[in-house]
Amino acid sequence: AQTIHQWPVAEIKAVGSPLSLGCTIKGKSSPNLYWYWQATGGTLQQLFYSITVGQVESVVQLNLSASRPKDDQFILSTEKLLLSHSGFYLCAWSLGWGENTGQLYFGEGSKLTVL
Amino acid sequence: SQWGEENLQALSIQEGEDVTMNCSYKTYTTVVHWYRQDSGRGPALIILIRSNEREKRSGRLRATLDTSSQSSSLSITAAQCEDTAVYFCATDEGSNYNVLYFGSGTKLTVEP
Repeated sequence: AQTIHQWPVAEIKAVGSPLSLGCTIKGKSSPNLYWYWQATGGTLQQLFYSITVGQVESVVQLNLSASRPKDDQFILSTEKLLLSHSGFYLCAWSLGWGENTGQLYFGEGSKLTVL
Repeated sequence: SQWGEENLQALSIQEGEDVTMNCSYKTYTTVVHWYRQDSGRGPALIILIRSNEREKRSGRLRATLDTSSQSSSLSITAAQCEDTAVYFCATDEGSNYNVLYFGSGTKLTVEP
């Protein structure tokens, strides 16, 4: 069975400090990977996606960056946090597109509070 | 923005009632996803309906898609307390299948 693990579960960080959030998918080879951001009480906004190791596409610019150093790992980071970065960060994977694909499988999320 | 309605809706119903949530989208889509999100957790897919389908059912759930009016609906029959959650619809643009746009969501509360 496939599992998706996000870390850390929660972080409290100061404005201007760096951030690194991670996501690991086990049990699935070469998945498509995604990062989403969700404000408290808000909808999901896609940030990045990656369909292969070493390649990441940006969807929106929020002073964040992403990398995919391994097939099963997706990293979200920034060198300087802003107050507006607070929220819930969700990693997801999919099989890509086909008859029964396109479905996103989300992790449990990382809650970020920037003070 | 992909969506015609941007504000989170809130619905409160009694257990046993039926409920329908609606979404409209602005551009062509190949698929509409419906996800539910429980408080503090990641969303989970409940129904995925493709552009060549008009209706899809899964247990007490029914999704419809009307490509002519660019709208989709999710209905829950005989709602139960455990259906309490936030429900989101999401679509692609039809050109980049790796980008999904989520609607603002409906917060459904089912009371006993």
